[in-house]
Amino acid sequence: GAVVSQHPSRVICKSGTSVKIECRSLDFQATTMFWYRQFPKKSLMLMATSNEGSKATYEQGVEKDKFLINHASLTLSTLTVTSAHPEDSSFYICSASPGQFGNQPQHFGDGTRLSIL
Amino acid sequence: GESVGLHLPTLSVQEGDNSIINCAYSNSASDYFIWYKQESGKGPQFIIDIRSNMDKRQGQRVTVLLNKTVKHLSLQIAATQPGDSAVYFCAENMNRDDKIIFGKGTRLHILP
Repeated sequence: GAVVSQHPSRVICKSGTSVKIECRSLDFQATTMFWYRQFPKKSLMLMATSNEGSKATYEQGVEKDKFLINHASLTLSTLTVTSAHPEDSSFYICSASPGQFGNQPQHFGDGTRLSIL
Repeated sequence: GESVGLHLPTLSVQEGDNSIINCAYSNSASDYFIWYKQESGKGPQFIIDIRSNMDKRQGQRVTVLLNKTVKHLSLQIAATQPGDSAVYFCAENMNRDDKIIFGKGTRLHILP
């Protein structure tokens, strides 16, 4: 149980393109999901907290207009990288928890490798 | 500030031996800790967790130890296998919200 699915797994696109990444909780509902960014050989950096039915909460230094988050249902959150540039190339990972955190751990998707040419 | 760090970036262990991965955390308010395993090109996979009211918790071939006095967390893997090769992250949560903070990670390399 507690499966989180991410799509697509890999994206290669031209500079200036907007890219949407989906994060789905397959067998549970999640009022909160999280989006992370990971550079090679580095740890996961939390970008934002996605809240179902309300605005996302962004971490300091993360541009909300650059990384648009929509959490329209209890099983789906999307991250849109707008007007992507080469410096946006990274590994993006989402997570969700089936229960109140502190009682159950976050479960992660398998990530999306974004490459901007 | 809040930070979770690891003592060793790379750990090489002989196959069949036990592995011990260490983690230091700085926030005494953290009350929930998790170990994740990340294989190349994949998302982190939950291994084991522990709450601050415990000092030890065992799973299948894994044990997590928590020493709140010195703010230290460790993951012990018994009889290390080739499939254990990965990067291991500790993470902490203060239970005031759902956010978790990841440590820097340790790469576990299994020697044949």
